Amino acid sequence: NAGVTQTPKFQVLKTGQSMTLQCAQDMNHEYMSWYRQDPGMGLRLIHYSVGAGITDQGEVPNGYNVSRSTTEDFPLRLLSAAPSQTSVYFCASSYSGQRAHNEQFFGPGTRLTVL
Amino acid sequence: GENVEQHPSTLSVQEGDSAVIKCTYSDSASNYFPWYKQELGKGPQLIIDIRSNVGEKKDQRIAVTLNKTAKHFSLHITETQPEDSAVYFCAASALHHGGATNKLIFGTGTLLAVQP
Repeated sequence: NAGVTQTPKFQVLKTGQSMTLQCAQDMNHEYMSWYRQDPGMGLRLIHYSVGAGITDQGEVPNGYNVSRSTTEDFPLRLLSAAPSQTSVYFCASSYSGQRAHNEQFFGPGTRLTVL
Repeated sequence: GENVEQHPSTLSVQEGDSAVIKCTYSDSASNYFPWYKQELGKGPQLIIDIRSNVGEKKDQRIAVTLNKTAKHFSLHITETQPEDSAVYFCAASALHHGGATNKLIFGTGTLLAVQP
């Protein structure tokens, strides 16, 4: 199993540009989520999904969109990038339902810089 | 919503000493408390977790304690080694959507440095 994969590893954008951060998992996990990590602020939840077709907002959803058309993929879209979105982004997945509160597996992260 | 506070933000210990990291949470409905270790340039990895029906859990040199009345939980690492140097995060979670979600709220992290 590849686990949780994220692409790209690094990205530089100009203010106002759009892009999609890709996340995929091959563990058949129902639950997937996106976090951003900023110095001194830990990991903050952006959006999450409990299954295909179901998404919900986390702590800091503004400026980000998500969709979940398949169990495996959970892309994060920035429609108009802002310097405040400069951060490291992590995708995570786990089982849910009766197997909720099992380990969340994190991807290697995407480092995004918005100029 | 849930709020998790973590202290200290940095911790330096000598190899062989013990390290303790403390977290408090605000939502009394939280019932799952994992700890993650993040090495430089990598994603966080689960090292130990505890559920609300247990007061303490051990795994070799690592232990976690939970005090539900006071709403705090702690990570204890004994006989520290240089490879324990990393950032450690606590988190709290309560089941939502009828038990479907595993939404974690993280603390701000502790940078642990183990000096040889």
